[in-house]
Amino acid sequence: KNQVEQSPQSLIILEGKNCTLQCNYTVSPFSNLRWYKQDTGRGPVSLTIMTFSENTKSNGRYTATLDADTKQSSLHITASQLSDSASYICVVSVANDYKLSFGAGTTVTVRA
Amino acid sequence: GAGVSQSPRYKVAKRGQDVALRCDPISGHVSLFWYQQALGQGPEFLTYFQNEAQLDKSGLPSDRFFAERPEGSVSTLKIQRTQQEDSAVYLCASSLTRTSRSGNEQFFGPGTRLTVL
Repeated sequence: KNQVEQSPQSLIILEGKNCTLQCNYTVSPFSNLRWYKQDTGRGPVSLTIMTFSENTKSNGRYTATLDADTKQSSLHITASQLSDSASYICVVSVANDYKLSFGAGTTVTVRA
Repeated sequence: GAGVSQSPRYKVAKRGQDVALRCDPISGHVSLFWYQQALGQGPEFLTYFQNEAQLDKSGLPSDRFFAERPEGSVSTLKIQRTQQEDSAVYLCASSLTRTSRSGNEQFFGPGTRLTVL
């Protein structure tokens, strides 16, 4: 079964600090990996997408990395803001399949 | 432009009651997906439509769950004789193309939070 594991489950950081979220997957054959941000009461919104050949992708203060050999990805948040408080979900796509494999998410709380 | 919308945003049902959840996808989007998201978990696939055709319903947990998209636009997820374990957020997502290409982004609605008492 294709699986996506995320860590930590939750974390609390002070405004202005950095943090890194981890995602390990066993999805095969791999097509792409997206990080989604899900605000409370909202649907997930895509932050970044990476294919097999891409190692890093940035979107403002969000930087995602991918190591396709070890099947690991990370999402780094720089200079966190209160609005970064949300759940961050790692989503992996299987090649030639519309089904997505979702991680359980990491809940990030940014405090002033 | 307008994103995916869902209604109602919150629904409280008594056990045994039937419910209907509505999804309005982005205009022109061919593919539509329904997901079930339990508290603290990632979404789980329920069913997939390509226009009005339901191509995959393998994720529906029981025959009490039924989905339709009769005109290839708005979709309704119906749950009959609701049970407490049906309590979850139901997310709808749409994507532009008709093919099964895995690179296409799915745009999610805000979800309907269903609570069965």
